[in-house]
Amino acid sequence: GAGVSQSPRYKVAKRGQDVALRCDPISGHVSLFWYQQALGQGPEFLTYFQNEAQLDKSGLPSDRFFAERPEGSVSTLKIQRTQQEDSAVYLCASSLWELDQETQYFGPGTRLLVL
Amino acid sequence: AQSVSQHNHHVILSEAASLELGCNYSYGGTVNLFWYVQYPGQHLQLLLKYFSGDPLVKGIKGFEAEFIKSKFSFNLRKPSVQWSDTAEYFCAVNPYNNNDMRFGAGTRLTVKP
Repeated sequence: GAGVSQSPRYKVAKRGQDVALRCDPISGHVSLFWYQQALGQGPEFLTYFQNEAQLDKSGLPSDRFFAERPEGSVSTLKIQRTQQEDSAVYLCASSLWELDQETQYFGPGTRLLVL
Repeated sequence: AQSVSQHNHHVILSEAASLELGCNYSYGGTVNLFWYVQYPGQHLQLLLKYFSGDPLVKGIKGFEAEFIKSKFSFNLRKPSVQWSDTAEYFCAVNPYNNNDMRFGAGTRLTVKP
């Protein structure tokens, strides 16, 4: 069956450019998560949606980062005025329900390089 | 702040050797614990998880982990590794009733044939 998909898989941006990263979760999954994974590190939590509601955005590193999930399915992570420290793999995950012990299913990630 | 520590960055074993990867967390309350694995070129996927009940949890591919509450640990074990276990392994924790999952830095396992 279809898993979580993300696009683009790779993105090169010039410093100061805005980027938009897309996540298509597994159909019917209530919860959606975004993570940032720097080289050699584990994923770091950015934000969490339950359907269209963004319930936790405590991990977003600055107000240049913005995420939305307007219809409770596809989500977009937008980074404005990108900086070199934003270079990382951005992972999206979804889970069936909103329970904290649910398995999260991860996408392949978008590798962002800011020059 | 809540954190997750994985003691080994890179482990190299020969096939049939036993494996134990350490994971400790710093959080005083009730937690859910996970081990995720990323095989070369693939997505992160769940190996096993613990949220209640028997502290010895069995996962896929012969892996198991033991939750020791007094030690704030959730170590991953496998009695006999195979070359196909070569991957990166991540321990993760989230507090009860909270979806803010924290991951360790990961342990890269290389199994020599």
